Amino acid sequence: GIQVEQSPPDLILQEGANSTLRCNFSDSVNNLQWFHQNPWGQLINLFYIPSGTKQNGRLSATTVATERYSLLYISSSQTTDSGVYFCAVKETSGSRLTFGEGTQLTVNP
Amino acid sequence: NAGVTQTPKFQVLKTGQSMTLQCAQDMNHEYMSWYRQDPGMGLRLIHYSVGAGITDQGEVPNGYNVSRSTTEDFPLRLLSAAPSQTSVYFCASSPGRTWEQYFGPGTRLTVT
Repeated sequence: GIQVEQSPPDLILQEGANSTLRCNFSDSVNNLQWFHQNPWGQLINLFYIPSGTKQNGRLSATTVATERYSLLYISSSQTTDSGVYFCAVKETSGSRLTFGEGTQLTVNP
Repeated sequence: NAGVTQTPKFQVLKTGQSMTLQCAQDMNHEYMSWYRQDPGMGLRLIHYSVGAGITDQGEVPNGYNVSRSTTEDFPLRLLSAAPSQTSVYFCASSPGRTWEQYFGPGTRLTVT
């Protein structure tokens, strides 16, 4: 099956800093999503982005499907950005989402 | 819209007991899925459904049953609970073949 690798596994920032999270995948995909799992365990959709670039406030994401990676940018981070960020992909030939192991982000005041 | 709802939020079972985790969605989504999340890991697919009356196995289906009699509901049954099934369970729905997932709040299950 498809392999999904996220980096870095852990990231600690001061409030106001910028960061880039990466998701590499091993096969062609027709779905890629970024999720934020907050400290209460809730999974929040950030982006549905199988290709191209999207922006939502301080967050933006870019997927380069031909090179099999996606990037999530967080600018001017806030303490409420803390939590785990997951990338999930669906192979073009597959029938399910496969999740990466996540990036644990801690934003300190 | 309430989105995807799950009940209960927490449950403690003894080994060998059975129970059903409930999941409902009011978005008229075709696809519904069940995932489990273990500490420090991503989500793994247990079972999924692409429409009423149609279900299929995911990555970790053993010990679980599902059925889909209506578009709205997708219950997950634990047949004989085992400590290895201690986990957080998430239900999700998707409007179609893109598998763009919308998650419920989760059920935290402990099996002693």
